[in-house]
Amino acid sequence: EVQLVESGGDLVQPGGSLRLSCAASGFKFSNYFMHWVRQAPGKGLEYVSAISSNGGSTYYANSVKGRFTISRDNSKNTLYLQMGSLRVEDMAVYYCVRPDGGYWGQGTLVTVSS
Amino acid sequence: ELVMTQSPATLSVSPGERATLSCRASQSVTSKLAWFQQRPGQAPRLLIYDTSTRATGVPARFSGSGSGTEFTLTISSLQSGDFAVYYCHQYNDWPYTFGQGTKVEIK
Repeated sequence: EVQLVESGGDLVQPGGSLRLSCAASGFKFSNYFMHWVRQAPGKGLEYVSAISSNGGSTYYANSVKGRFTISRDNSKNTLYLQMGSLRVEDMAVYYCVRPDGGYWGQGTLVTVSS
Repeated sequence: ELVMTQSPATLSVSPGERATLSCRASQSVTSKLAWFQQRPGQAPRLLIYDTSTRATGVPARFSGSGSGTEFTLTISSLQSGDFAVYYCHQYNDWPYTFGQGTKVEIK
């Protein structure tokens, strides 16, 4: 069974940093593109970032480019999102997604507030 | 950035009736269009990908159609668990984008 379990969400002040993790299991992690998608409270879905199966290619939404970094460790079956210079508008539930097959984690909440 | 526009914002339907949801892209997404269902407090669930292919386990009452810039999700006979928010999603061009959602509520 495919499982994606996010962690690392927390309360952080504007301008702060946070690293999210996504532990994957039930499939060969190193074979798949992986994505991060977020959802602000009461709002719709927004793509954040994507990474190729070997980590060689990365993609970012304009809203996070230069502030967030996606990475992966295929030996640990783990996806990461390093978030910096956080803004109030980054506050959201962050989902780890395996687009091939449409698998989503349950999300981790990032709160940005002073 | 490719903009996805869904209509209507809210659709009021009685159980057992048909629901038709629309999604328009600001430029062609070829057939790279998916539909997601999101119930309150849950992660989105993939219903349809490649415009018209049902994901594993999705009932046949859900169907997708369209091409290019105009797409439709049809739910043939609404059941209680179908009252939710539905998002269309293009994955033809990065940044991938979602529509703003259509809420299907009980009439």
